[in-house]
Amino acid sequence: EDKVVQSPLSLVVHEGDTVTLNCSYEVTNFRSLLWYKQEKKAPTFLFMLTSSGIEKKSGRLSSILDKKELFSILNITATQTGDSAIYLCAVGGVQGAQKLVFGQGTRLTINP
Amino acid sequence: GAGVSQTPSNKVTEKGKYVELRCDPISGHTALYWYRQSLGQGPEFLIYFQGTGAADDSGLPNDRFFAVRPEGSVSTLKIQRTERGDSAVYLCASSQGGAGANVLTFGAGSRLTVL
Repeated sequence: EDKVVQSPLSLVVHEGDTVTLNCSYEVTNFRSLLWYKQEKKAPTFLFMLTSSGIEKKSGRLSSILDKKELFSILNITATQTGDSAIYLCAVGGVQGAQKLVFGQGTRLTINP
Repeated sequence: GAGVSQTPSNKVTEKGKYVELRCDPISGHTALYWYRQSLGQGPEFLIYFQGTGAADDSGLPNDRFFAVRPEGSVSTLKIQRTERGDSAVYLCASSQGGAGANVLTFGAGSRLTVL
């Protein structure tokens, strides 16, 4: 059974800190790994990763995939209070990327 | 539309009642998905439509749950004889479909509370 595990489940830091969120997975016929940010209700897309070792970057956020060790990390530098959210990791596998399997999420809280 | 629209945003019902949740996907998106998110958990896959047909309904928990997409656009998730354990946020998402189109755009969800 496809499985995604995120850690930590919860993280509280001060504004300006750098954080690293982890996602490990077990999936048959891996296709892609996606990161989403969920603030209120609708998860919003951050990154899609398909190849190992290639960093995706958007402003203060970056992510990288290791297909050999079956994990991904999401880094956020110079955190701001607006970064407070639940960060979800999802993988697409045996049924095609359409059937995404999500992890439990990491609840990130940035204190001023 | 500009985004994925879900109605109602909140639904409170009594145990045993029937509910319908509606999803209007992004115009032109051929793929539509329903997920369920319980408190403190990530979204859990329910069903995926490609066009009008259910390409994968393996996530539907039992036969009380059913979804349709008769014209390949709007979808309705139907839950019969609701139970307290059905309480969750039901998320709908759409994508362009096809082999490489795996970036899902989510709606704000319908929060279902079964008393």
